[in-house]
Amino acid sequence: SQQGEEDPQALSIQEGENATMNCSYKTSINNLQWYRQNSGRGLVHLILIRSNEREKHSGRLRVTLDTSKKSSSLLITASRAADTASYFCATDVQGGSEKLVFGKGMKLTVNP
Amino acid sequence: DTEVTQTPKHLVMGMTNKKSLKCEQHMGHRAMYWYKQKAKKPPELMFVYSYEKLSINESVPSRFSPECPNSSLLNLHLHALQPEDSALYLCASSQEVGLRDGVNEKLFFGSGTQLSVL
Repeated sequence: SQQGEEDPQALSIQEGENATMNCSYKTSINNLQWYRQNSGRGLVHLILIRSNEREKHSGRLRVTLDTSKKSSSLLITASRAADTASYFCATDVQGGSEKLVFGKGMKLTVNP
Repeated sequence: DTEVTQTPKHLVMGMTNKKSLKCEQHMGHRAMYWYKQKAKKPPELMFVYSYEKLSINESVPSRFSPECPNSSLLNLHLHALQPEDSALYLCASSQEVGLRDGVNEKLFFGSGTQLSVL
């Protein structure tokens, strides 16, 4: 079953612009992760934020988490054509079984 | 070596065939996973192995049969599949299942096997 819902579903921007993706989820979580998937390939882990954290940075990535609103956002700054991919949030359900549940995903296209 | 290797990359099979998907990792991870992903959809968990024992089966039909011969290998045996089983099958691994210290919760994915059932 799906837990996270990314918004928007698709985003097209120009190189150098920032891209923001939002994820909403339904149940309490231990952590929330973001993954990237290039077309037809496996997923690559980007960043993990714990339920007691509000913000985390990794290079050009900034993730925020608002547990009161059950939402997270992923900001990619100074986007590059190589950032073109699908992005998924994934949640580890608190008190549930040891598995990640992925959101629907968002397709980001960065035009050169 | 931070790779998860899946073979074959592509597979076409008939509904009466028996085939196997293979997955290998040499990161010393003790948890391994099979996910199924339909086009433009998120990955859906099928099975989780922890220390070579099946710990989660997400009510997957018996025509899919997982096997974990050792801590580095994970197989998915396929038999009598249906056309709707056509999808990208992804293998993943993590250091442990259930230890929430950030390190153990990160999944490493293979590139997947694109399966077509005719």
